[in-house]
Amino acid sequence: DQQVKQNSPSLSVQEGRISILNCDYTNSMFDYFLWYKKYPAEGPTFLISISSIKDKNEDGRFTVFLNKSAKHLSLHIVPSQPGDSAVYFCAASGESGSNYQLIWGAGTKLIIKP
Amino acid sequence: DSGVTQTPKHLITATGQRVTLRCSPRSGDLSVYWYQQSLDQGLQFLIQYYNGEERAKGNILERFSAQQFPDLHSELNLSSLELGDSALYFCASSPLGAGDTDTQYFGPGTRLTVL
Repeated sequence: DQQVKQNSPSLSVQEGRISILNCDYTNSMFDYFLWYKKYPAEGPTFLISISSIKDKNEDGRFTVFLNKSAKHLSLHIVPSQPGDSAVYFCAASGESGSNYQLIWGAGTKLIIKP
Repeated sequence: DSGVTQTPKHLITATGQRVTLRCSPRSGDLSVYWYQQSLDQGLQFLIQYYNGEERAKGNILERFSAQQFPDLHSELNLSSLELGDSALYFCASSPLGAGDTDTQYFGPGTRLTVL
C-alpha cells in the first residue's frame, strides 16, 4: 500500500522554464512533507520541507505547495537549470503507524533540456 | 559531500550468504537510519538507532539486523541472502532522534547484488 505516490516516473523541461513535480498522499494524518533531490551515485539531499499548517513554502527557486484537502503537494522550480536534473523524492511523516518515520515516494526523474 | 560514509560501495555475493554494510555518521550526529531502495522503488525505511539504542523499526526482515556502536558508527547485517535483497542500501544520519522532522544526511549508498 503506497501511502506516498509520485505518479510521474520522469519529466522533461526546457531550461529556463518552470518544472512542476507532483506528489499525492493517502494518509490524512501526515503533517510534515519534505522533498529530497538525488544525483546518480550519491545519496539523497534535503531540498525543502513544509508543515501542514502552511500551504506554501519558498526557498529561492524552489517552492512547495500543499493542498491538504486534495492530499497533494507539488514542487515548483523556477527557472529550471541544467543542474536541477536529478531524481526528486517526496516524503511524508506523521501518525502513520510507522514510528513517525518518513514515508517516501518512488521518485520523479527530472531532465532539464538545454 | 554529506559527511556520511558507507562501505563498501559495491558488493556482489551469492544467495544464502551473509554480508555486513558499514556506515559512519556525520560528526556529532547521534541518529543513524538504514534504508533500502530496490529498482524503481522509493526508499523503504528499515531501522533507526539513536545514541546506540534502537529507536524505530520499519519494514526490516528478520534476516536483517543492525547495531550502532559506542563510536556511533553502525552496521547492517544481511543474512541468508535472496535474489530479492539486491538493492541500494542507504545510511543516513541526523543530529537528533526525530526521524520525521530532522533533516537526514545520506551517504552515497552500498549497491548489493545477490547472484
